[in-house]
Amino acid sequence: DVVMTQSPDSLAVSLGERATINCRSSQSLFYGSTNKNYLAWYRQKPGQSPELLISWASTRQSGVPDRFSGSGSGTEFTLTISSLQAEDVAVYYCQQYYSFPLTFGGGTKVEIK
Amino acid sequence: QVQLVQSGAEVKRTGSSVKVSCTASGYIFTNYGITWVRQVPGQGLEWMGGIIPVFGATNYAQQFQGRIMMTADKATTTVYLEVNSLRSEDTAVYYCGVSPGNQLLRWLEPWGQGTLISVSS
Repeated sequence: DVVMTQSPDSLAVSLGERATINCRSSQSLFYGSTNKNYLAWYRQKPGQSPELLISWASTRQSGVPDRFSGSGSGTEFTLTISSLQAEDVAVYYCQQYYSFPLTFGGGTKVEIK
Repeated sequence: QVQLVQSGAEVKRTGSSVKVSCTASGYIFTNYGITWVRQVPGQGLEWMGGIIPVFGATNYAQQFQGRIMMTADKATTTVYLEVNSLRSEDTAVYYCGVSPGNQLLRWLEPWGQGTLISVSS
C-alpha cells in the first residue's frame, strides 16, 4: 500500500498569512505515460463532508478560490493557502489515486492564530 | 447540480448488519463510479472500496473483503453499502463520493452528507 504522510499535524496561521501543508508518499505518484501525478487535496470543514480542492497535484477544482494552489511531483507535494481566510479553518487531507487501495494522509488541522 | 444523498443514521448491535444507501442525481449515473470512505469520529479518512454501476464491477479494500458488499440499482440511481458482522470499531461516519469517469482510481467529488453508524453491544 502507498503510505501518505502529512506534516505538520496542525498549524496556526494569522488571517491573511500563508499556510503550507506537506504530503509525502511512500512511492512515486508520477505516471510517465500520462505525465501526471495522481494526487488530490481535500478540505474538511468542521462537521462537514470533505470537498475536493485540487486533483492531479496542481489542478484547482472549478469554484475553488485561487488562494489555494498545489505543487510537487513524485513523492513530495505541497498545498499552499496564500492568504488564510476564516472559512479555511478545517482539516486538510491529501489522497493518492495511483494504485489500490486508495490512501489518505492523516490530515493537517489549520487554525487561526 | 451533482448531488449524493445518503440514508440516515443507525444504531446497530455487534454482529448484525447494516445497509447504507447513496442516491445520486444531477448527472448520468452510469458514466461515473461511486466510492465509499469511512471516518471514525475524530480520526482520518479510510477508503473502503468502490463500484462502477454500469458494469457492477467492484473493488474492495483488503481489510473489508468478505465483510462488505457494494451494489448499484441503475433504475433508482442508488448505490448500497452493506457491512456484515459489525464490530464496535465499525462505529464511524460512512461517506459515498463520485469518482469521475468509469474509474475508481480517481478523486471523489462531490461527497454525500455522511451516515453515522453506531455499533454497540
